[in-house]
Amino acid sequence: QQPVQSPQAVILREGEDAVINCSSSKALYSVHWYRQKHGEAPVFLMILLKGGEQKGHDKISASFNEKKQQSSLYLTASQLSYSGTYFCGTEPNAGGTSYGKLTFGQGTILTVHP
Amino acid sequence: GAVVSQHPSWVICKSGTSVKIECRSLDFQATTMFWYRQFPKQSLMLMATSNEGSKATYEQGVEKDKFLINHASLTLSTLTVTSAHPEDSSFYICSASEGSSYEQYFGPGTRLTVT
Repeated sequence: QQPVQSPQAVILREGEDAVINCSSSKALYSVHWYRQKHGEAPVFLMILLKGGEQKGHDKISASFNEKKQQSSLYLTASQLSYSGTYFCGTEPNAGGTSYGKLTFGQGTILTVHP
Repeated sequence: GAVVSQHPSWVICKSGTSVKIECRSLDFQATTMFWYRQFPKQSLMLMATSNEGSKATYEQGVEKDKFLINHASLTLSTLTVTSAHPEDSSFYICSASEGSSYEQYFGPGTRLTVT
């Protein structure tokens, strides 16, 4: 079942913050976040496995709620290089037997202007 | 991070011919590789999951006789589009993961155009 991402698109000025959400109707085993630039392959950002987990690097972080049905990606003090389409990929809570098989959300287009 | 390569980057072929796309993990052993298809401005659609040494598992609606997948070694998986038609034109992307890790690393993609 495809996760739902929101918003569909967001436009920022450099230095502004953004939050992208990824929701599922059922509890998930994991959530993966990727950024894809036009004509290129997705680049792995981070993975969350535990309910209540928060992690990040540099100015990009993410959280996974306790029920493991929603994840949010936080982009702070955005830079021009943050522009791209952000996808969440989710793995269903099937006892780990799906082993990495992801279903991707429809994507959120982030545009950062100078 | 881990590096995954794809070859070719783009290919144009005539309708009815077959095209092979290679996916290689360059600095790690990929026990599992995934093949995706992406249409313009759309999300990634998983086509199949391939484990080294075993038959690929195809997603519902993906014709296994049309999209042949071979995962002959821990560093190489191939996707062959047989008897290609214009509707097969798309961006094909592979990803790979190590057995002990959950991260998937994507190749740069192959743009297939069937004329």
